[in-house]
Amino acid sequence: DIVMTQTPLSSHVTLGQPASISCRSSQSLVNSDGNTYLSWLHQRPGQPPRLLIYKISNRFSGVPDRFSGSGAGTDFTLKISRVEAEDVGVYYCMQASQFPWTFGQGTKVEIK
Amino acid sequence: QVQLVESGGGVVQPGTSLRVSCAASGFTFNNYAMFWVRQAPGKGLEWVALISDDGSNKFYADSVKGRFTISRDNSKNTFFLQLNSLRGEDTALYYCARAAASWYGFDFCGQGTLVTVSS
Repeated sequence: DIVMTQTPLSSHVTLGQPASISCRSSQSLVNSDGNTYLSWLHQRPGQPPRLLIYKISNRFSGVPDRFSGSGAGTDFTLKISRVEAEDVGVYYCMQASQFPWTFGQGTKVEIK
Repeated sequence: QVQLVESGGGVVQPGTSLRVSCAASGFTFNNYAMFWVRQAPGKGLEWVALISDDGSNKFYADSVKGRFTISRDNSKNTFFLQLNSLRGEDTALYYCARAAASWYGFDFCGQGTLVTVSS
């Protein structure tokens, strides 16, 4: 199975300041079709997860442009350009390039 | 809009069985693969199982293989997870989710149904 490792596991951010989360996979996420199926999800307290980013860098419908994704192969990053209060919660990376699909441990983002 | 509504959760004893369901609406159900993700209390997300759009292909996490069975009824826009031989570590909020049509991964999920395995 592909192991997804996120850093940091916790982040305290000042409103309006940037935040960054890293995700590393134990093997390349390049699928046999040439695509890399790495997604980022956000889960607010008491809520189900919702999709932010798919295929490394594509923002899902309705996701603000302060969220961006980058990376390739085994190393990926989610960046929030200016953190807002509604961005608190846990962020997960997820790979769907190979079964079983796997998630990172989650990164908890809180406001300072 | 896409709606996924889980049901069937509850409190059960170890070793017993339960079936959870997910009713879908707002999209053409038989065009999409569907899957289950679970979240133990205070823990992260764990992918559980996926079924293809026509039900012909099924994939499972090692932790549930041989005990859980995913199925679907396209005539009723519903899919299911049969949970057998339940263990304490299966206690979790079970979310049903839709697999995206044009990429591998998740796009929408429901609010979840809680399964508690306890004696």
